[in-house]
Amino acid sequence: AQSVTQLGSHVSVSEGALVLLRCNYSSSVPPYLFWYVQYPNQGLQLLLKYTSAATLVKGINGFEAEFKKSETSFHLTKPSAHMSDAAEYFCAVTPTGGGNKLTFGTGTQLKVEL
Amino acid sequence: DTGVSQDPRHKITKRGQNVTFRCDPISEHNRLYWYRQTLGQGPEFLTYFQNEAQLEKSRLLSDRFSAERPKGSFSTLEIQRTEQGDSAMYLCASSLAGDTIYFGEGSWLTVV
Repeated sequence: AQSVTQLGSHVSVSEGALVLLRCNYSSSVPPYLFWYVQYPNQGLQLLLKYTSAATLVKGINGFEAEFKKSETSFHLTKPSAHMSDAAEYFCAVTPTGGGNKLTFGTGTQLKVEL
Repeated sequence: DTGVSQDPRHKITKRGQNVTFRCDPISEHNRLYWYRQTLGQGPEFLTYFQNEAQLEKSRLLSDRFSAERPKGSFSTLEIQRTEQGDSAMYLCASSLAGDTIYFGEGSWLTVV
């Protein structure tokens, strides 16, 4: 069964600094991987997805993620944090081909400080 | 495209009462999913439909929970004899088969 592990339940960065949110996956076959963002009291919004095409995936709001099979990782980055990026970020996985359901990590709360 | 719509957004109920949540998926999406999210956790899969057929249910979905999608469009999730442990956000999502899953805003349930 696929699973994802998000390292660091809370990450704090200064405005303008690099954002790095970590996600490692466990899967016997290359999966599809996703990053979702959740603002307070709202549902989840898709940031980006990896579906076995390009390993560097660009998403909305300046975020990107790189699929590294050798490291079983799919870390999320953004060169310069904005205050509006403060939210909870979830990494998720499905079987290759889309599958039937997403399996989520436990989330990383991003705080952006002035 | 109006997105996935959920109703009500918030519900407070007394322990032992029944509650029902409704989800309207993105039109033409044949798959509909229900997830549950508790504070500090990621969403957990409950069940999903393809058209009107319920194809998978998590063991998290006890006998007190029932979901329907009678005409392959909107869906309802009913919780009978609510317990305090049922307090959570219930998320609905939809997709075309094998495509990106889009989430609604969620329905918050508080059982007092």
